[in-house]
Amino acid sequence: GAGVSQSPRYKVAKRGQDVALRCDPISGHVSLFWYQQALGQGPEFLTYFQNEAQLDKSGLPSDRFFAERPEGSVSTLKIQRTQQEDSAVYLCASSLEGTINQPQHFGDGTRLSIL
Amino acid sequence: DQQVKQNSPSLSVQEGRISILNCDYTNSMFDYFLWYKKYPAEGPTFLISISSIKDKNEDGRFTVFLNKSAKHLSLHIVPSQPGDSAVYFCALMDSNYQLIWGAGTKLIIKP
Repeated sequence: GAGVSQSPRYKVAKRGQDVALRCDPISGHVSLFWYQQALGQGPEFLTYFQNEAQLDKSGLPSDRFFAERPEGSVSTLKIQRTQQEDSAVYLCASSLEGTINQPQHFGDGTRLSIL
Repeated sequence: DQQVKQNSPSLSVQEGRISILNCDYTNSMFDYFLWYKKYPAEGPTFLISISSIKDKNEDGRFTVFLNKSAKHLSLHIVPSQPGDSAVYFCALMDSNYQLIWGAGTKLIIKP
């Protein structure tokens, strides 16, 4: 498809389980971003890739969160030993270049629920 | 402390009239300002943007205004249509390409 694709759309996991969320950016987009959105709030930045390089991971809330983009296209966000406060919508975005003044285009997100 | 504020959680506007959505920010270092529209269960959709060197950008029914001295951003939609009913987020890009978001304003267009 032409847009950013995320899978799964919904994920339910028990506390303590590991989860992996996938993002397929728009073809040819250099930059890829992960955001976390809690109910009733705007998204909050987690991490940013330019091609395969993770240039900023300052928003990852703990060392249980890990993201990778090994070939510079598809990215995976992994959360280990999930906790209830990890429940949120995880949004992925891509942009054409890693420069200012480029809009980020978003997928529909993965809604993660930790029981 | 929130860097980006959308003080109206919701706004109701008659179809055909103008909708004005507002956004205030505290950090003068932002260079690029964007508006996104979001329907339930979908990701944010990019609408329109403006760079810090401009004070107005227009695209069809949508116009974004930037007042840097007041640290204020607004989105005007005219005429408003029923399909415009959604949550609107302002998002500001910092020098690290991160988007800093407001909490959103739910726009309801009444027929």
